[in-house]
Amino acid sequence: SQQGEEDPQALSIQEGENATMNCSYKTSINNLQWYRQNSGRGLVHLILIRSNEREKHSGRLRVTLDTSKKSSSLLITASRAADTASYFCATESGGSYIPTFGRGTSLIVHP
Amino acid sequence: KAGVTQTPRYLIKTRGQQVTLSCSPISGHRSVSWYQQTPGQGLQFLFEYFSETQRNKGNFPGRFSGRQFSNSRSEMNVSTLELGDSALYLCASRLTVVDPGELFFGEGSRLTVL
Repeated sequence: SQQGEEDPQALSIQEGENATMNCSYKTSINNLQWYRQNSGRGLVHLILIRSNEREKHSGRLRVTLDTSKKSSSLLITASRAADTASYFCATESGGSYIPTFGRGTSLIVHP
Repeated sequence: KAGVTQTPRYLIKTRGQQVTLSCSPISGHRSVSWYQQTPGQGLQFLFEYFSETQRNKGNFPGRFSGRQFSNSRSEMNVSTLELGDSALYLCASRLTVVDPGELFFGEGSRLTVL
C-alpha cells in the first residue's frame, strides 16, 4: 500500500508557469523524497527533506514539509517543456529506510 | 561513473513461464532494491538486498524471489508467470541502508506476459 499520495493526479500548464504538486501521508516519517520519471524510464532523485526540516531548495525546485499536516509540496518555478514527467513522493518511516512511493502526479508543460 | 544497469530492457513471456532479471548497481553501492511498477498499483516494493542478504521484503507471493552476489549484482526471478505480472521492474541501488539517501534507479525491465 502507498504511504504517500500525490495531488493532483495530473497537471497541465504552459511553459513559464509554476507547477505545484502535493503529497500527503498517513504515519510519521523520517524523511521524504521527490523523484521524477520520464515516460517509461527509471526514476531520478530530485530532493530529500528530513522530518526536522521545513523547506529545501534545489535550483528551480522548492520543497516544503509540514509534519503537523503530514504533507509536503513540490514547487517547480518557471516550468519548461523538459519538465514534462511524472513526479513521485517517497516516504521513509520506522527503521527500515525503505522508501514507499505514491502514485505520482503527471505533469505536462506545453511549449 | 556508470549508472545502474538492468537487463534485459524488454521481454515477452507466456503464462506459466519463469523469468530472471538482472541488475548491476553503481560501483560501491551495496544495497539493491527492486520495485514493480504498474498503472494500477503504482510503485510497489519487492525486496532489498544488502551484502548478499535479503534485508526487507514487500508483500508479494513467493513466486517472486531474488538474490545478490558478492559483487553486489542482483537478480530477481518470477516463476509461474501470470498476466498480472506484466509490469516495469525497476532496480535501485544506494550506498548504504543505515542513513537514508537517494535511490539510483536503472531504466527498468519491461515484462509483458501473454
